[in-house]
Amino acid sequence: QITLKESGPTLLKPAQTLTLTCNFSGFSLTTSEVGVGWIRQPPGKALEWLATIYWDDDKRFSPSLESRLSIAKDTSKNHVVLTMTNMAPVDTATYYCAHSVYGDSSFDYWGQGTLVTVSS
Amino acid sequence: DIQMTQSPSSVSASVGDRVTITCRASQGISSWLAWYQQKPGKAPKILMYAASTLQSGVPSRFSGSGSGTDFTLTITSLQPEDFAIYYCQQGYTFPYTFGQGTKLEIK
Repeated sequence: QITLKESGPTLLKPAQTLTLTCNFSGFSLTTSEVGVGWIRQPPGKALEWLATIYWDDDKRFSPSLESRLSIAKDTSKNHVVLTMTNMAPVDTATYYCAHSVYGDSSFDYWGQGTLVTVSS
Repeated sequence: DIQMTQSPSSVSASVGDRVTITCRASQGISSWLAWYQQKPGKAPKILMYAASTLQSGVPSRFSGSGSGTDFTLTITSLQPEDFAIYYCQQGYTFPYTFGQGTKLEIK
């Protein structure tokens, strides 16, 4: 059974860098066509896709955030790390990681999410 | 970016009613559309992918249709557990984009 869980800081100050880890089980990021994506949701607002990394290390980013984002996988540890630089209060949101299959493009399994607050 | 517009933004309905939610893409996305249900404080749950394919384990009272730019999610015979926010998402091209959500409330 596929599970994902996000971890990272809950509170950041403006201009700091956010590093989030998605630990997963039940699948491998060495399997063809598998991907892990990050999606965020500001309080009371809609979902926003941030980035996805695929089994072959193909990485895709939201153009509006690409300059601030990086994503990496560690297949031996079954985790994906998302980094976002220069955090601001508008980046306050719940951050989710989710399982995806290349060619399907939907997210079929989601982590529980982690709320990140940016405040001075 | 492809913009996804859902309507209505909110709808009130009663248990047993039939409800239809619409999602319109700003350009054609073939059938690369998914629907999600989100309850307060919970992660989204996928209901439908490829516009009309029901995710395993999702009740058959949920159905999806459409292709190109216009899509619908229909829920027949609403159950108490169906009251939630529903989002569409296009996967036709990066960046993936979501609709703004439709809140389904109890009348």
